[in-house]
Amino acid sequence: SYVLTQPPSVSVAPGKTARITCGGNNIGSKSVHWYQQRPGQAPVLVIYDDTDRPSGIPERFSGSNSGNAATLTISRVEAGDEADYFCQVWDNTSDHWFFGGGTKLTVL
Amino acid sequence: QVQLQQSGPGLVKASETLSLTCSVSGGSISGHYWSWIRQPPGKGLEWIGYIFYSGTTNYNPSLKSRVSISIDASKNQFSLKLTSVTAADTAVYYCARHGDSIVSLFDPWGQGTLVTVSS
Repeated sequence: SYVLTQPPSVSVAPGKTARITCGGNNIGSKSVHWYQQRPGQAPVLVIYDDTDRPSGIPERFSGSNSGNAATLTISRVEAGDEADYFCQVWDNTSDHWFFGGGTKLTVL
Repeated sequence: QVQLQQSGPGLVKASETLSLTCSVSGGSISGHYWSWIRQPPGKGLEWIGYIFYSGTTNYNPSLKSRVSISIDASKNQFSLKLTSVTAADTAVYYCARHGDSIVSLFDPWGQGTLVTVSS
């Protein structure tokens, strides 16, 4: 089993920068993917392979991964960014997939 | 653009079997990995298991004894069965495709099905 730890909540004012962390043992050696889930909707991929954005995702979304923590950064936060965010990795040893507990982003 | 459409009952009695189907449109089920993921109300996401189009499967150890995922390439769909359900299995269940070249990610996802286990 591989444990991913996220803060339950992050709050940020509009126009500011939000940073959501995802901690895991030597997570820097794995590819981390991030999903946005708005209330009542399915998750949507916003960052893959640590730093890449799928087409259609604003440049305001970025990611990094090193050591024991990966970070999703949302610049110039907008009200529409308010959602739950989940990190996810694949463990190649077990061939199993793991998710973080999720972080609720609140835009003040 | 690939789309996933889920179907199946939203209410299952305790001790019975949960059955859901995911129909794939806009692309072929062949050549890809397909997973089921669930989310208990107000909680996080849990990977249930995957199936490769060839029929190879891999399941979450916590559910392995009760779960079965199958594929019907002729209908371009795959299915989930979870036996002996309890209240702890109440969740929104999602189907998802693994990435084209990056199989470690999930994209896209189905719309989700809330399955409630009743006593």
